[in-house]
Amino acid sequence: KAGVTQTPRYLIKTRGQQVTLSCSPISGHRSVSWYQQTPGQGLQFLFEYFSETQRNKGNFPGRFSGRQFSNSRSEMNVSTLELGDSALYLCASSLDRVNSPLHFGNGTRLTVT
Amino acid sequence: GQQVMQIPQYQHVQEGEDFTTYCNSSTTLSNIQWYKQRPGGHPVFLIQLVKSGEVKKQKRLTFQFGEAKKNSSLHITATQTTDVGTYFCAPLSGGYQKVTFGTGTKLQVIP
Repeated sequence: KAGVTQTPRYLIKTRGQQVTLSCSPISGHRSVSWYQQTPGQGLQFLFEYFSETQRNKGNFPGRFSGRQFSNSRSEMNVSTLELGDSALYLCASSLDRVNSPLHFGNGTRLTVT
Repeated sequence: GQQVMQIPQYQHVQEGEDFTTYCNSSTTLSNIQWYKQRPGGHPVFLIQLVKSGEVKKQKRLTFQFGEAKKNSSLHITATQTTDVGTYFCAPLSGGYQKVTFGTGTKLQVIP
């Protein structure tokens, strides 16, 4: 079974721009979660989607948004990029069972200059 | 809200020495998951503990859930260089809650 696929792997953007990251979950997984990982803040939860609906949301500003499509693929968007948004963005998928293990993709490394 | 402390933050050990990381929660947990992230990699699920006082073993790794379900530990016996990475606990409070991660313990093994 193919794992979680995230594209692109690396991205360099300028302050003020916006960016869209993509995530394809493992086949059969309908829950997709997004995390931001930085050296100083660790793994921070952004949001979780299930059946095209946002089920949980972390403490991030409204510049961070996401969506999920009917095939469970998900995208996250960050508008008006700031230097502090530089991070590794990880997507994880899981089965629709309470407290199912998360399966992570390799992440997208975003650098904002 | 739920607060999770993971200690230590860093640990350097000589190859062959044992290693333990602890995860402490301010609230009672329904269960807890553990993940490992190798340098340059992504977190990989190791195990899930559900029952009070539960102990599970995976080869040289021993995972324990506290009796009060407020803490957990991961112990590695006779570390190897392949054990290098950051170990995260992910405590869960039940239901379709967002999965939050502890601060992680970064393990360095000196050959």
